[in-house]
This record gives sequence, C-alpha cells and structure tokens, in this order.
Amino acid sequence: QIVLTQSPSASASLGASVKLTCALSSGHSSYAIAWHQQQPEKGPRYLMTLYSDGRHSKGDGIPDRYSGSSSGAERYLTISSLQSEDEADYYCQTWGTGIWVFGGGTKLTVL
Amino acid sequence: EVQLLESGGDLVQPGGSLRLSCAASGFTFSSYAMSWVRQAPGKGLEWVSSISDGGGSTYSADSVKGRFTISRDNSKNTLYLQMNSLRAEDTAVYYCAKMPGGSLMGGNYFDSWGQGTLVTVSS
Repeated sequence: QIVLTQSPSASASLGASVKLTCALSSGHSSYAIAWHQQQPEKGPRYLMTLYSDGRHSKGDGIPDRYSGSSSGAERYLTISSLQSEDEADYYCQTWGTGIWVFGGGTKLTVL
Repeated sequence: EVQLLESGGDLVQPGGSLRLSCAASGFTFSSYAMSWVRQAPGKGLEWVSSISDGGGSTYSADSVKGRFTISRDNSKNTLYLQMNSLRAEDTAVYYCAKMPGGSLMGGNYFDSWGQGTLVTVSS
C-alpha cells in the first residue's frame, strides 16, 4: 500500500525560501510524484512531476521560483523568494496500477 | 487553454443519486484519460475514479466501488460521475482532472483541474 507523508504545516517569511517534504512509504522509494498547489477557496493547480533521480518537469506557467528535488524516499518542493500568493495547501500525489494516492497536504503560511 | 467545468452538485438525501458532469475544452478530449477527485470540507484530496481516453478502462477507489460509475462521451467532450447510494461521508467538493496521456498505465498524475462542484448528502 502506497502512503505519502507530509508535515501538516510549514511557515516562512516573505522573500525567504521554504522546502516542503513528501515521504514515500517503504518499498516505494523509486516512485515519481506530482506536486499540486491549492490556494484558499480555489481548485488545485498542478505544479510539477518529480522523479526519483531528481528530474522534474513543471506545468505550464509555473514560475522558476518553484523547484523539485529527491533524496531516497523523500521528494521535495522548494519555493524561493516567497510571495503572499504562495500561501496555500500543497499536496503530493503518486500512482500505482489502478490506484492514485495523495499525501495529507502541507499548509504553508507566509509570514 | 485547458478548461474543465464541473456541474451537477446539489443537496441530496442519504441513499439518493446524483450525476456530475465535467465539460472540457481547450484540448482534444478524446485523447486523454480523465479522473474525479474529491475533497471533504476541511480535509485533503481523495482520488475517486479514473477512465481511459476511449472509456474502455476504469478504476475506482474502494470507498466508492459499486456505488459510483465514471463514464465519458467523447462526442460531447464531457466526463460524468454517476453517484448512487449516497452517504453522508460522500459530502465533498468534486473536481474533474485531466491526465497527461490516454492510458491509465504509467505517468498518471493530474495536470489540469476544474474548480469543483459541491455535493452535500444530508437529510
């Protein structure tokens, strides 16, 4: 069973950087994931797909401030030069045969 | 530009039925797999069901298996979710999401999302 674990909350100051983590469950460390952003009262927005070797491909219009990286079973989303509109919930998501799984989400507060 | 517009959400009694629709535009609908994802009030995202480009392959979450049916009409560029035997725990915003390829095998993330439609199950 694939499980994605995310910290419930994170915070960082305006203009700073933040690194969000998504941990894949045991036996699934090679899986790719996708990151999605959900701003308050809006539908989700696809950010990027992140592979186990660190390669990532971003969605259309996603700023360069958003980047991804990987280490073992962990996948990271780094947001630099934080802006107020980055305050949102961030979800990681992966897939297996006939199943799609989301992490619990991280609520990012921009101070 | 990809646009996904959900409709059909409503207040329904437990045990009732509802059909959601998702009108797609801005891309060749018949070439892409599609999915439904839901979000209960104050909760995270939960995958509900997916369908391949031609409709020949579908998968559903255990929580809705046997009660919900995903389908599509490629001539109308529309995705559907037939929801039967609704329960209070089905109360959620339901999102339509596009996938990057036509098959449900491999590379299966959601690369475009709609704004959602609210389903409330309550007596």
